[in-house]
Amino acid sequence: NAGVMQNPRHLVRRRGQEARLRCSPMKGHSHVYWYRQLPEEGLKFMVYLQKENIIDESGMPKERFSAEFPKEGPSILRIQQVVRGDSAAYFCASSPTPIGSEQYFGPGTRLTVT
Amino acid sequence: KNQVEQSPQSLIILEGKNCTLQCNYTVSPFSNLRWYKQDTGRGPVSLTIMTFSENTKSNGRYTATLDADTKQSSLHITASQLSDSASYICVVSAGTNAGKSTFGDGTTLTVKP
Repeated sequence: NAGVMQNPRHLVRRRGQEARLRCSPMKGHSHVYWYRQLPEEGLKFMVYLQKENIIDESGMPKERFSAEFPKEGPSILRIQQVVRGDSAAYFCASSPTPIGSEQYFGPGTRLTVT
Repeated sequence: KNQVEQSPQSLIILEGKNCTLQCNYTVSPFSNLRWYKQDTGRGPVSLTIMTFSENTKSNGRYTATLDADTKQSSLHITASQLSDSASYICVVSAGTNAGKSTFGDGTTLTVKP
């Protein structure tokens, strides 16, 4: 049973470009969470999705950021018009059930904005 | 506001020594508390998960304790190894907020030979 997969592992974008980060949850998991980790800081919650639904996006910036988890395919975190401050590691986690259940993390995508 | 505070922020110990990391939380209503280990450049890996009724849970050389009355948890590492060098993150889930957990900022542990 493969773990949570994220790609790409490293992504370099120039200011103003778009970044698309992908997350494939563990088999059988229908709950996906995205977190951002700035250098030397802790993980910060961004958004929680269930298949085709955004359940909680309270941690996601109102502008330029969006997330989706379609019926088929991976979850996508999209950052439009990236700025240098978006440079961070973005982690995805998945769980089989929502409330307080174990979350399994992917290896992360390291975004660098030049 | 739900908060998770971890201490110390960083810790350096010699190989073979024991250490204890602390986690205080104000998350309510409490659902469960998890400790994760995050190696540099990698995603967090679960060490233990404890519910309200559990006081102690072990995973090899890692032992977590939970005092739900004082809202405190500790992670004790026995006979430390160089590979224990990592960030240890305390995460607390609230029962009413489906899926959303509150993360501590982590304790960075460095084990030196």
